[in-house]
Amino acid sequence: AQSVTQLGSHVSVSEGALVLLRCNYSSSVPPYLFWYVQYPNQGLQLLLKYTTGATLVKGINGFEAEFKKSETSFHLTKPSAHMSDAAEYFCAVSDPGTGNQFYFGTGTSLTVIP
Amino acid sequence: KAGVTQTPRYLIKTRGQQVTLSCSPISGHRSVSWYQQTPGQGLQFLFEYFSETQRNKGNFPGRFSGRQFSNSRSEMNVSTLELGDSALYLCASSLGQFANYGYTFGSGTRLTVV
Repeated sequence: AQSVTQLGSHVSVSEGALVLLRCNYSSSVPPYLFWYVQYPNQGLQLLLKYTTGATLVKGINGFEAEFKKSETSFHLTKPSAHMSDAAEYFCAVSDPGTGNQFYFGTGTSLTVIP
Repeated sequence: KAGVTQTPRYLIKTRGQQVTLSCSPISGHRSVSWYQQTPGQGLQFLFEYFSETQRNKGNFPGRFSGRQFSNSRSEMNVSTLELGDSALYLCASSLGQFANYGYTFGSGTRLTVV
């Protein structure tokens, strides 16, 4: 089974600072990779995904992530944090060709300090 | 375009009762999955349906069951409720049968067992 590790359950950044949320996975083959965001009392919203092709993927709200096979990582970044970015972020992986089961990380709560 | 609709949004049940949660996927989406979200265990996969067939099932007791109808709407049922079943139950739908399409999540049903 897949496993996903998100380093840092809580991350605080100042408004305008770089956001870096870390995600590492364990898999013998490159999986499909996703980042989701969850605001209080809401479901999960897809930020971006990597399936094939270019390893640097851009998502909504200025976020991007880079798939690094050698490091089994898919870290999420945003150059300049905004107050509205405060939320819970989840990294998820899925094995290609084995259906739609996702394995989620434990989440990182992002706080943006004004 | 309507999103994934889950009903009801909130539910309070007594231990020992049973409950049925409903999910209407995005029009045209044939894959529906269910996840349980709790503070302690995070997001855990319950089951996934594609074209009325259960393709994957997570590690939950048999008290948790689900089904998908011909119009892709899905229901999940929990019998003999326990206090530990209190959670946010999230439904997600996908266009394709593989994970590369990503999931669109509903806002969830918040179940409280007392």
